[in-house]
Parts: sequence; structure tokens; C-alpha cells
Amino acid sequence: DAGITQSPRHKVTETGTPVTLRCHQTENHRYMYWYRQDPGHGLRLIHYSYGVKDTDKGEVSDGYSVSRSKTEDFLLTLESATSSQTSVYFCAISESKGTTNEKLFFGSGTQLSVL
Amino acid sequence: QQQVKQSPQSLIVQKGGISIINCAYENTAFDYFPWYQQFPGKGPALLIAIRPDVSEKKEGRFTISFNKSAKQFSLHIMDSQPGDSATYFCAASIEGQNFVFGPGTRLSVLP
Repeated sequence: DAGITQSPRHKVTETGTPVTLRCHQTENHRYMYWYRQDPGHGLRLIHYSYGVKDTDKGEVSDGYSVSRSKTEDFLLTLESATSSQTSVYFCAISESKGTTNEKLFFGSGTQLSVL
Repeated sequence: QQQVKQSPQSLIVQKGGISIINCAYENTAFDYFPWYQQFPGKGPALLIAIRPDVSEKKEGRFTISFNKSAKQFSLHIMDSQPGDSATYFCAASIEGQNFVFGPGTRLSVLP
């Protein structure tokens, strides 16, 4: 998966607890993204980053925060997990953004269950 | 305006048959239309992509057909194989903006 490691791969947590998911890349790509995948909704963008300490919201950002202190690491935090945040979370990277040759490389995903 | 619709939700095809997945969009500013393929337990991977200045693009058994006036595009998989069984996502983007993905189609190719 193009030098992208997501951790953990699976996590079960309780409602109200904080959760942090990690994405690590070895490709030195500028752009990093967090998506969630739910049946019937496809892939929805949560947050993305266009450089160290530069982040922006996606379409479903409520309840999530992100941080990028190094080029290779992008963290997604659920401040107080809710059952509606049970999902599969994918990290993606790209060299460019919005060009016609842009290619997203995805990690293998994190299955998160909030009980 | 930013939504991409995709159908069918699931598709079952016999080995050797043709699989067809359709997508439609409203925003005429979209200028790039990729398809991603996802196997179980894996992340999506780019399969094939097209720009609106061409009506068709073919890569091996996979073909994208694009109808700009109808604001529709489709993925055709010729001679479908069991190894093609996966979930397929269409997507669209505008220069400088993030992708919008369709809800996905689960394809099962029977041996």
C-alpha cells in the first residue's frame, strides 16, 4: 500500500473515550487525508493536510481533530467517541492536489467500533 | 451539486460476462473522473481515470465511457473474472479541490 501504515488496524472502544488513529507514510508526499467509509456513503473526507501544521476540514469533520507535526505522520483524534463514529477509517496520501493526474494512495484502514 | 451518484449498489456477473457500473454528477465544473477498486480488507486503489475532453478510455479489460452532455460516466469490465470481485468507487474532482466519491458498487463475479 504505497508505504502507508495505519495503526491500530482494529480498535474497540467505549462511548465517551478519546481515540487517536495514526497514519505514517514513507513516500514524502505533501498531502495527507483521512476518510471514513460507511455502507451506502462511500468514502467521505474528514480532514486533510497540505503540509506540516497545515490542515483543513472535509465534509464530515464534526467530532474529529487532526494534527501533523511531521511530514510523515498524520493523526486523527476522536475527542469523545460516539457510536456514530463506528466506521472504517482510511488514510490517503498524494503528491499533488486537484490536478488531472492526481492519484490517491490509500492505507489498509482501521476498523473502529465504538460501543 | 457536489454529489456523485452510483448504480447499481451491487452486481453479480458470470465469469466472462460484461460488468457495467454507472455514475452521474451534477456539477459541470468537475474535470477529472477516476475509478477506484477496493478488495476486502484493503484500501482503494486507482484503477483508471478519464478527463471530459475524451469520450472513452480503455486499459486492458477496463473501459471508461464518458457522456459529457448527460453528465454520466460508466465503467465497463469486459470478460469479467472472479479476481475482479471487489468494490468499485467512481469519483470526481475539480482542479485544486478534493475528490467526491460515489457510494460504491460491490461486484461479484461467479466462476
